[in-house]
Amino acid sequence: KQEVTQIPAALSVPEGENLVLNCSFTDSAIYNLQWFRQDPGKGLTSLLLIQSSQREQTSGRLNASLDKSSGRSTLYIAASQPGDSATYLCAVSNTGNQFYFGTGTSLTVIP
Amino acid sequence: GAGVSQSPSNKVTEKGKDVELRCDPISGHTALYWYRQRLGQGLEFLIYFQGNSAPDKSGLPSDRFSAERTGESVSTLTIQRTQQEDSAVYLCASSLYAGADTQYFGPGTRLTVL
Repeated sequence: KQEVTQIPAALSVPEGENLVLNCSFTDSAIYNLQWFRQDPGKGLTSLLLIQSSQREQTSGRLNASLDKSSGRSTLYIAASQPGDSATYLCAVSNTGNQFYFGTGTSLTVIP
Repeated sequence: GAGVSQSPSNKVTEKGKDVELRCDPISGHTALYWYRQRLGQGLEFLIYFQGNSAPDKSGLPSDRFSAERTGESVSTLTIQRTQQEDSAVYLCASSLYAGADTQYFGPGTRLTVL
């Protein structure tokens, strides 16, 4: 069974700082990987989807990379803002159907 | 509809009672997923529907859990004889089709079993 780990569990940074969130997975035979954000009391919002054949995806200030051979993905957030405060979840799928989620990184951006 | 909706948003029930949770996916989405998120833990996959194919039930934790979906519309997740460990947020997601597309999540149903 795929196991997904996210480090750190919590992170607090001053506004404007660049930061990196880490995700590791045990089975490198993945179909795709997604990064989500979860705001309190709300559902998940998809940020970036990386197919197994891709190395990275970018959306605005966000950049996600994928290294299948080492079982790692990183989410880079540039010039962080208070509105980026949320829990960030990494999810991995081996088949495209069933997703395995990490426990998330709780990010606080201090104004 | 604009997004995935779920009802009720909150449900408090007594141990041993049955509960039914509802999910309305985005219109036209053929794939629908149910997840459970216990406090302080990651999301656990429960069940997956793709069109009219047999659902993937491999994540259901016990036979007290069941789910139905009629065609490509509403889905209901039923928990029979609820236990305190069933307390969690139950999230539903849909996607246009499985695998290649992103999943769109509903706001969840917070279930509390007393």
